[in-house]
Amino acid sequence: IAGITQAPTSQILAAGRRMTLRCTQDMRHNAMYWYRQDLGLGLRLIHYSNTAGTTGKGEVPDGYSVSRANTDDFPLTLASAVPSQTSVYFCASSDSSGEGSDTQYFGPGTRLTVL
Amino acid sequence: AQKITQTQPGMFVQEKEAVTLDCTYDTSDQSYGLFWYKQPSSGEMIFLIYQGSYDEQNATEGRYSLNFQKARKSANLVISASQLGDSAMYFCAMTGGYSTLTFGKGTMLLVSP
Repeated sequence: IAGITQAPTSQILAAGRRMTLRCTQDMRHNAMYWYRQDLGLGLRLIHYSNTAGTTGKGEVPDGYSVSRANTDDFPLTLASAVPSQTSVYFCASSDSSGEGSDTQYFGPGTRLTVL
Repeated sequence: AQKITQTQPGMFVQEKEAVTLDCTYDTSDQSYGLFWYKQPSSGEMIFLIYQGSYDEQNATEGRYSLNFQKARKSANLVISASQLGDSAMYFCAMTGGYSTLTFGKGTMLLVSP
């Protein structure tokens, strides 16, 4: 079982370019999340999805969009990247069916640098 | 809105000693979950331990225990018998709306021989 995979592992991107970070989970979790991690700020929620077909905004959604066409995939798109989006991006998933602890399990992260 | 505060930017401990990492939280929710994650230098986020707000006993997972004091709104992580491999960044987090997590800024733990 792979758990959660993210691609790419790292990327250097020119400002203004469009970029999609991929996230796939094989645990059949209903909920998925995107966080960004910046030095000294911990992890902050960008977007989330409680189930396929639904998404919601987190603490720092501006400049990002997501889609959830199926249970397994939750891509994050930067429509026009800016240097302030330089960060490490983590995808996570959880079984938030209400019968468990909602523990989130994280992917390995994508390190994105916008120049 | 939830808030997590970790007041210790860094902690030092000698191998085989116990260490407590502090975490206080603020929420108006009656039902919530508290989590600790470990992030080693390799960067991955590793789930360590979970405490539900209605759990009467403190959670334990091997060498990790969560000292949950609901009235004080604290959820400190205790690591017993520290090992060199425990050197990492540790994050306290709590569930918010729709099972999303609010994280603290983390505590860097260094274990010395």
